[in-house]
Amino acid sequence: EVQLVQSGAEVKKPGESLKISCETSGYRFTTYWIVWVRQMPGKGLEWMGSIYPGDSDTKYSPSFRGQVTISADKSITTAYLQWSSLKASDTAMYYCARLKGSGYLIDYWGQGTLVTVSS
Amino acid sequence: DIQMTQSPSTLSASVGDRVTITCRASQSISSWLAWYQQKPGKAPKLLIYKASSLESGVSSRFSGSGSGTEFTLTISSLQPDDFATYYCQHYNIQGTFGQGTKVEVK
Repeated sequence: EVQLVQSGAEVKKPGESLKISCETSGYRFTTYWIVWVRQMPGKGLEWMGSIYPGDSDTKYSPSFRGQVTISADKSITTAYLQWSSLKASDTAMYYCARLKGSGYLIDYWGQGTLVTVSS
Repeated sequence: DIQMTQSPSTLSASVGDRVTITCRASQSISSWLAWYQQKPGKAPKLLIYKASSLESGVSSRFSGSGSGTEFTLTISSLQPDDFATYYCQHYNIQGTFGQGTKVEVK
């Protein structure tokens, strides 16, 4: 069974760093792209970027390039999303998801990680 | 970039109603269009891909149609479990989502 299990909710202050995780199982981690999607409170889905764990090829949406870093550790089949300096506007639910293999179509999602940034 | 626009933003309906949601692309995307359902506090769920192909395990009351720039998601007979927000997505060159359509109780 394919599973993506994300790390727990985080409460941080502006300027702090953060790395959230997405632990996968039930499939060959290195052969499927993983994507990160942001959902701000009460808003829609925003594509942040994606990584191919097989060779760590990473693509970022223009809106998020330079704002976050996506990475993956093949040895523990886990993908990561990290910030070096959080802003209040980073408050959102963040989902990791697996691309089905046809373009950017998503077939499996993590349960989401709520990140709250507040002073 | 290709923009995806859904209408309406909110739709009020009753159980048993036939519901149609429209998604328009700013340029032709052939049939590279998917529909997802999201319930409050939950991750989205894939319903339809390639504009009209039903994902395995999804109820046949959901159907999709269209190609090029105009697409529709139809729920043939709305059930209580279907009150949710629906998103279209262009998934070929990029992963752009529409802004969502909330189906609420009338």
